[in-house]
Amino acid sequence: GIQVEQSPPDLILQEGANSTLRCNFSDSVNNLQWFHQNPWGQLINLFYIPSGTKQNGRLSATTVATERYSLLYISSSQTTDSGVYFCAVDSNYQLIWGAGTKLIIKP
Amino acid sequence: DVKVTQSSRYLVKRTGEKVFLECVQDMDHENMFWYRQDPGLGLRLIYFSYDVKMKEKGDIPEGYSVSREKKERFSLILESASTNQTSMYLCASSFRLGTQYFGPGTRLLVL
Repeated sequence: GIQVEQSPPDLILQEGANSTLRCNFSDSVNNLQWFHQNPWGQLINLFYIPSGTKQNGRLSATTVATERYSLLYISSSQTTDSGVYFCAVDSNYQLIWGAGTKLIIKP
Repeated sequence: DVKVTQSSRYLVKRTGEKVFLECVQDMDHENMFWYRQDPGLGLRLIYFSYDVKMKEKGDIPEGYSVSREKKERFSLILESASTNQTSMYLCASSFRLGTQYFGPGTRLLVL
């Protein structure tokens, strides 16, 4: 089956820093989604991005489907950005999830 | 905004009890999903449903069953709870193959 790998597994940054999170996947996919899970466990969808680039405020994402990777950019990090970031790819009605990147933003 | 609600945020049950976790979505989504999330293992799909009364096994269906009698409601049932089912349970819904929207999760402790 499709494998999804995220890097880095952990990231600690100072408030105001920029970061890039990576998601590699092993086969062609119909779509890719990025999620943020806050410290209370709530999962929020950030981007639905099978290809191309999207931006939403300080966050942006780029998926290069032909090379089987996606990047999530966070600029000017805030403490509220802390949590775990997951990417997930679609395979036959199911999402295949990466293990996540745990991000800690220090004030 | 899409709203997905789960019946409990925290639940404590005893081994052998029958446990019902309910999920309700208000956006008329066809698809609904139940996941469990454990430290170091990420999210794992237990069951999903793409229509009323339809269900498909996910990666880890053993020890669980589901029910979808109405489009907006998807129930996860632990027939006889065991300690290894202590976990965070997350429900999600989506329109076709689109974005999945998640509920707040239920933290289940089985003693």
